[in-house]
Amino acid sequence: AQTVTQSQPEMSVQEAETVTLSCTYDTSESDYYLFWYKQPPSRQMILVIRQEAYKQQNATENRFSVNFQKAAKSFSLKISDSQLGDAAMYFCACLYGQNFVFGPGTRLSVLP
Amino acid sequence: DVKVTQSSRYLVKRTGEKVFLECVQDMDHENMFWYRQDPGLGLRLIYFSYDVKMKEKGDIPEGYSVSREKKERFSLILESASTNQTSMYLCASSWGPGLAGELFFGEGSRLTVL
Repeated sequence: AQTVTQSQPEMSVQEAETVTLSCTYDTSESDYYLFWYKQPPSRQMILVIRQEAYKQQNATENRFSVNFQKAAKSFSLKISDSQLGDAAMYFCACLYGQNFVFGPGTRLSVLP
Repeated sequence: DVKVTQSSRYLVKRTGEKVFLECVQDMDHENMFWYRQDPGLGLRLIYFSYDVKMKEKGDIPEGYSVSREKKERFSLILESASTNQTSMYLCASSWGPGLAGELFFGEGSRLTVL
């Protein structure tokens, strides 16, 4: 079975600092996609960043970037210059075919 | 922007009641999904649908059924609600496979079964 693990249930970061959220996954598939989703308190989940597994280059979206280590099956999210609005639950997800598998989530707090 | 709308943000029901959760998307997406979100467990797939009148079981379909009579609408039904179905329910839609499979979510329906 495919699994996604997020080993940090909760994390905190000082405003303007950098934080890295960890994610590992387990799959035997050769073709898959990786995503980070953000769920702010009482608001809908939105996509933060995505990565095609066949691409070696790490994806970047403004202050958000990933460190994709395919051999290690690791897909961490780095948030630079953290802002109060970054406080949320973050879910790592892997897409195989049309099936998503989500990790348990990491709750990120941003301290002013 | 894609909009996925869930009919109820908060519901309180009694054990044994029939519960309907409705979801509508406005982007002509082929795929629609119902997830259940519980603390520490992430999102677990209940049912999904790739086309009108088609449905596939996800990881935890027991106690649930779904209906997709129109492309834009996907309903989740709890035939006889139980307390262990107290949870947050998320509807999502997507265009297709690969990166097109990016999910667009509704705001969620928090169901409490007493």
